[in-house]
Amino acid sequence: DAGVTQSPTHLIKTRGQQVTLRCSPKSGHDTVSWYQQALGQGPQFIFQYYEEEERQRGNFPDRFSGHQFPNYSSELNVNALLLGDSALYLCASSWWGQGTETQYFGPGTRLLVL
Amino acid sequence: RKEVEQDPGPFNVPEGATVAFNCTYSNSASQSFFWYRQDCRKEPKLLMSVYSSGNEDGRFTAQLNRASQYISLLIRDSKLSDSATYLCVVNGDNFNKFYFGSGTKLNVKP
Repeated sequence: DAGVTQSPTHLIKTRGQQVTLRCSPKSGHDTVSWYQQALGQGPQFIFQYYEEEERQRGNFPDRFSGHQFPNYSSELNVNALLLGDSALYLCASSWWGQGTETQYFGPGTRLLVL
Repeated sequence: RKEVEQDPGPFNVPEGATVAFNCTYSNSASQSFFWYRQDCRKEPKLLMSVYSSGNEDGRFTAQLNRASQYISLLIRDSKLSDSATYLCVVNGDNFNKFYFGSGTKLNVKP
């Protein structure tokens, strides 16, 4: 049973560029949530997708956008990168029917913005 | 005010010690509470959910105090392998939005 997978594992970008991160949920899960974790901080909720729609959003600017595909996989896009966007980006999957209580995290993508 | 607050630590304890972490949350409407464990440079993993009546899983005991809006985690007989950062997680005003604390770092020493 494959767990949550994310790609790429590491990424280096420069300010102003755009980046796309990818996530495949755990088998049987239909909900994907994205988090940003800065060094020394806990994960911060970015947004959540279910049935290909954004259901919830945290306090992140519109530069952060996402998408969910029919196979439940998801992408996180960040435009006009800032130095402060450097962080570990975590994807968590769950099953909507469980009220998303149990989330399983992927290994994350480490983004460095220079 | 942050949704969830934790003492960042670090807590440095010897093997076999008992250690307790607390976490406070700001939204009195929160319904779901969890403790996650995160090892260095790894993803968070669910340690245990926290129920109103308190619950135990082996050496780990979680308690919830709704009146005071805090959650606790007690680890008995600490092992070296317990060294990690412990994250308190609370759902927000919407059932599907979760807030993480900054984490409490635990170092268990021989």
